[in-house]
Amino acid sequence: AQSVTQPDIHITVSEGASLELRCNYSYGATPYLFWYVQSPGQGLQLLLKYFSGDTLVQGIKGFEAEFKRSQSSFNLRKPSVHWSDAAEYFCAVGRSNFGNEKLTFGTGTRLTIIP
Amino acid sequence: DAGVIQSPRHEVTEMGQEVTLRCKPISGHNSLFWYRQTMMRGLELLIYFNNNVPIDDSGMPEDRFSAKMPNASFSTLKIQPSEPRDSAVYFCASTIGTLGGTQYFGPGTRLLVL
Repeated sequence: AQSVTQPDIHITVSEGASLELRCNYSYGATPYLFWYVQSPGQGLQLLLKYFSGDTLVQGIKGFEAEFKRSQSSFNLRKPSVHWSDAAEYFCAVGRSNFGNEKLTFGTGTRLTIIP
Repeated sequence: DAGVIQSPRHEVTEMGQEVTLRCKPISGHNSLFWYRQTMMRGLELLIYFNNNVPIDDSGMPEDRFSAKMPNASFSTLKIQPSEPRDSAVYFCASTIGTLGGTQYFGPGTRLLVL
C-alpha cells in the first residue's frame, strides 16, 4: 500500500529565509506526487504535481519540488518565504484507480513565519 | 467559476441525530471525492464517485456513513446516527476525472457532535 511520511510536524522560518519541507513516500511503481497547501479554515489548494518527465517541478506561489527516486523523496522548496506562506502543507501520493488518482496524504507540516 | 461548494460550513448536533453534508462539484467535473480530516488520523479518503457511480468506498468507516450522488451537480454524505467520534472537518473535492486532473477542494464542513 502507498504511504507518505512528512517527518516535520511544525517548522518555523524567518520571513525572507529559504524553506524546505520534507516528504518521503512508499509506493511500488512510479508515483504521482502532489503538494497541497491549506490555509486556516480553508480547503486544500494544489501547489504542484509530478507525473513524469523533468524531476524538478515548478508550482504556484514560487514553490518548486524535486522528485528523487533513489531517496523516495519529493521535497518542497521556496527560496524566500513570505508571511502569507504561513499555512499547513500536505504531501500526497496518488495511484491510478479506475482513471483517477486515489490520493494518500501525509500528516502535514505546519509552517510558521516569524518577522 | 464558483469552485466546489459545500454546505453547511458548520454543523453542531447531538449524538444520535442524523447529519447530512452537501456538495456541489465544479461544473464539468465528473469525479467527486469525500474526505475527512481529524487531528488524530489526518486527511482520509472516504469515498469517490466517477460519473455519479460510487467507485471506491473502502474508506467509509462503518454502516452509519452513506454517500449518494444523484446527479452530476450534487452529492450528499449522511451520518446516521452520529457519534462524538465523527466530529471532524469533511471536505468534498472534484476533478475532471482523468489521470493528471487536479482535485479541487471545497472549503469543508466542520462537524461537531456533542
